[in-house]
Amino acid sequence: ETGVTQSPTHLIKTRGQQVTLRCSSQSGHNTVSWYQQALGQGPQFIFQYYREEENGRGNFPPRFSGLQFPNYSSELNVNALELDDSALYLCASSFSGPYTEAFFGQGTRLTVV
Amino acid sequence: DQQVKQNSPSLSVQEGRISILNCDYTNSMFDYFLWYKKYPAEGPTFLISISSIKDKNEDGRFTVFLNKSAKHLSLHIVPSQPGDSAVYFCAVVIGKLVFGQGTRLTINP
Repeated sequence: ETGVTQSPTHLIKTRGQQVTLRCSSQSGHNTVSWYQQALGQGPQFIFQYYREEENGRGNFPPRFSGLQFPNYSSELNVNALELDDSALYLCASSFSGPYTEAFFGQGTRLTVV
Repeated sequence: DQQVKQNSPSLSVQEGRISILNCDYTNSMFDYFLWYKKYPAEGPTFLISISSIKDKNEDGRFTVFLNKSAKHLSLHIVPSQPGDSAVYFCAVVIGKLVFGQGTRLTINP
């Protein structure tokens, strides 16, 4: 059984650019969620995908978008990067259902300059 | 509007003693809670969960207590070990995870 893996681990981008972050879900999990963790804060929910459909979104603008693929891997895309987008981006996978734990990848540290 | 609050940003405990981390929530309808531990440069790692039908759940050195009337949960670590030094997050499961701000636990030798 493989865990959740994210790529890349670190990334530096310029304001206004676009970025794509990738996540491979844990084997057997059908739900993937993305979180943004700013320094000194808890992770904040961006959105969630279940069977390739977005089924929940947090308070993030439309320039944050995502995809889930048939093998349940996922991408997070951010357009028109802003300095405040600098954060740790975490991917989590789980089984669907109300009483399940989510398992996180190691995160991608994005720095926007 | 913070639905889950961890009011202590940091906690320092001597090795071998008990560590108690606290978490408060706002909505009495919340019914499933998780604790995660996070080391620097790693993602959060699931530690222990509790549902609202219980008031206690144990897993080895880790015990979570839930006080529904006070809308409060706590994580007890006994005995505390140096490897427990990390940031601890409580979270409620409401389709998504809603996290508290975290408490940095330092275990001193």
